[in-house]
Amino acid sequence: AQSVAQPEDQVNVAEGNPLTVKCTYSVSGNPYLFWYVQYPNRGLQFLLKYITGDNLVKGSYGFEAEFNKSQTSFHLKKPSALVSDSALYFCAVSPQGSSASKIIFGSGTRLSIRP
Amino acid sequence: SQTIHQWPATLVQPVGSPLSLECTVEGTSNPNLYWYRQAAGRGLQLLFYSVGIGQISSEVPQNLSASRPQDRQFILSSKKLLLSDSGFYLCAWDRGRPDTQYFGPGTRLTVL
Repeated sequence: AQSVAQPEDQVNVAEGNPLTVKCTYSVSGNPYLFWYVQYPNRGLQFLLKYITGDNLVKGSYGFEAEFNKSQTSFHLKKPSALVSDSALYFCAVSPQGSSASKIIFGSGTRLSIRP
Repeated sequence: SQTIHQWPATLVQPVGSPLSLECTVEGTSNPNLYWYRQAAGRGLQLLFYSVGIGQISSEVPQNLSASRPQDRQFILSSKKLLLSDSGFYLCAWDRGRPDTQYFGPGTRLTVL
């Protein structure tokens, strides 16, 4: 079955330190990969996506993600965390050739940045 | 630019009452539209999607229904709400595969 895994329910990082939010996937073919962020009582905001090309994708708010095909991972990273980065982060995958509905979301990782 | 609206923002309804949530998209034509439910601030469950006017696909059997009376309008309904219908309802749109989905601000529904 096709799936997305975010193995950490919560990630705690001190402000100014680098952060990583992990995501692995299991889909057939070459998927399209996404990261979204959600602040309390808000909709999801698009951060970045990988479709093809350079494995390192840069997105909004200084975030980037690295696509690793051999490890089937798409980890979200930021060199220096801000308190305002505290939010819920979702990884999502859209299998190549899938229909309109088939974006699979991970269960989410809560990122907490302490001052 | 495109924007997506949802209303109401919050709703408290008694068990057994009807429901109507509305989603509209501006600045694009013939979008794919989606309804998701998010429980307890965690994962998203796809409820319905639509690729055109009057075309609705249901992903899970439930107490809810959806309609798309106009190109950029998507409505989520129920005739009789259950306690288990409580949650955060999100509408989203995209231009079709492959594309990013863009989400509305959400509706917080509490069924008492």
